[in-house]
Amino acid sequence: QVQLQESGPGLVRPTETLSLTCTVSGGSLSDHYWGWIRQPPGKGLEWIGYIYYNGSPNYNRSLKSRATISVDTSKNRFSLELTSVTAADTAVYYCARERGSGWSFDYWGQGTLVTVSS
Amino acid sequence: DVQMTQSPSSVSASVGDRVTITCRASQGIGNWLAWYQQKPGKAPKLLIYTASSLQTGVPSRFRGSGSGTDFTLTISSLQPEDFATYYCQQANSFPYTFGQGTKLEIK
Repeated sequence: QVQLQESGPGLVRPTETLSLTCTVSGGSLSDHYWGWIRQPPGKGLEWIGYIYYNGSPNYNRSLKSRATISVDTSKNRFSLELTSVTAADTAVYYCARERGSGWSFDYWGQGTLVTVSS
Repeated sequence: DVQMTQSPSSVSASVGDRVTITCRASQGIGNWLAWYQQKPGKAPKLLIYTASSLQTGVPSRFRGSGSGTDFTLTISSLQPEDFATYYCQQANSFPYTFGQGTKLEIK
């Protein structure tokens, strides 16, 4: 059974960089896309971007090039960096696996709340 | 960006009822649509992909249909565990976008 687990600071100061890691267990990164989705408190879901196991990311252009997703196959994990954060970036951040067909996400992490505040 | 509009935003129903949720795309997306169920404090759970394919392990009372711009999720006989928020997601073009959600509440 594939499991995903997000990790990273729960509090980030405005203008700094948010950094999260998603560790995958029970399966390898191979042959899948791996993504990040966020959800502001009480609001809907926003796709941040995803990356194929061997590279080639795609991002939501609404983030204005602030997001970088990378993959480390040797450690079976992938990461998100979001620069120049503001309070609007406060959200629960989820990592997820694209199912391999259909371009939808079949395995999700439990989510981690990141608050941007001074 | 493709805008996804769900209706209704909320619905009240009873156990055993049949419920239909609609998702409309601002432009044609073929059948690149997924449905998710989310319970409070939990990650979304994939129910349906490519508009009508049932994800492994999801009960058959969940059915998806539609193509192009109009899609529906039907729950044929509501069970207590089905009360949750439902989201549609398009995957035809970047950025992937979600509907605003439909909250299914107990009447």
